[in-house]
Amino acid sequence: GQQLNQSPQSMFIQEGEDVSMNCTSSSIFNTWLWYKQDPGEGPVLLIALYKAGELTSNGRLTAQFGITRKDSFLNISASIPSDVGIYFCAGLPGAGSYQLTFGKGTKLSVIP
Amino acid sequence: DAGVTQSPTHLIKTRGQQVTLRCSPKSGHDTVSWYQQALGQGPQFIFQYYEEEERQRGNFPDRFSGHQFPNYSSELNVNALLLGDSALYLCASSLYGYSGNTIYFGEGSWLTVV
Repeated sequence: GQQLNQSPQSMFIQEGEDVSMNCTSSSIFNTWLWYKQDPGEGPVLLIALYKAGELTSNGRLTAQFGITRKDSFLNISASIPSDVGIYFCAGLPGAGSYQLTFGKGTKLSVIP
Repeated sequence: DAGVTQSPTHLIKTRGQQVTLRCSPKSGHDTVSWYQQALGQGPQFIFQYYEEEERQRGNFPDRFSGHQFPNYSSELNVNALLLGDSALYLCASSLYGYSGNTIYFGEGSWLTVV
């Protein structure tokens, strides 16, 4: 099945550093979502974006909905050890479809 | 307020067997979707149920079937299990017609096929 192009696949960063990851698609989406998944758990929603060009923050997290509707970015500022996990982007096409298409994930490791 | 609950948490099956996984949606939600997440991959959409009918289906064979009950809970059935069906199966509940931030995932059912 289709998966979004998410990069990087993995990151090792020092505590306190900022993190950036992105997601691209060949298709247009009307909604972009960012999830975090911890080992043995289901994905937890971090940020939802509904409008092209929209920039939304949730604490230290900031995400943007690309103006082409084919990409999205997630930034994490001042990383802390509990940021460790796998981050997934997901797109919803809209037009009555509620089928989420996910990226392959970015595995984040934070070195104290 | 209970979130999305799935059962069983873990199970092991033999090739060729059949399996049933269960999901209770978050209180107030009426729609259930099922996703398959292979190791190291993102979740893949299997199908969605609303008003006890399959509304959308992803690229999965007919061996994968489902059901939604009047209380909105749902089952995922997989027949003639293959080794490649080993994965985390996630249930997501939502409110039909509402936006992406109403989608909540359960913790999943880990299926191992040997």
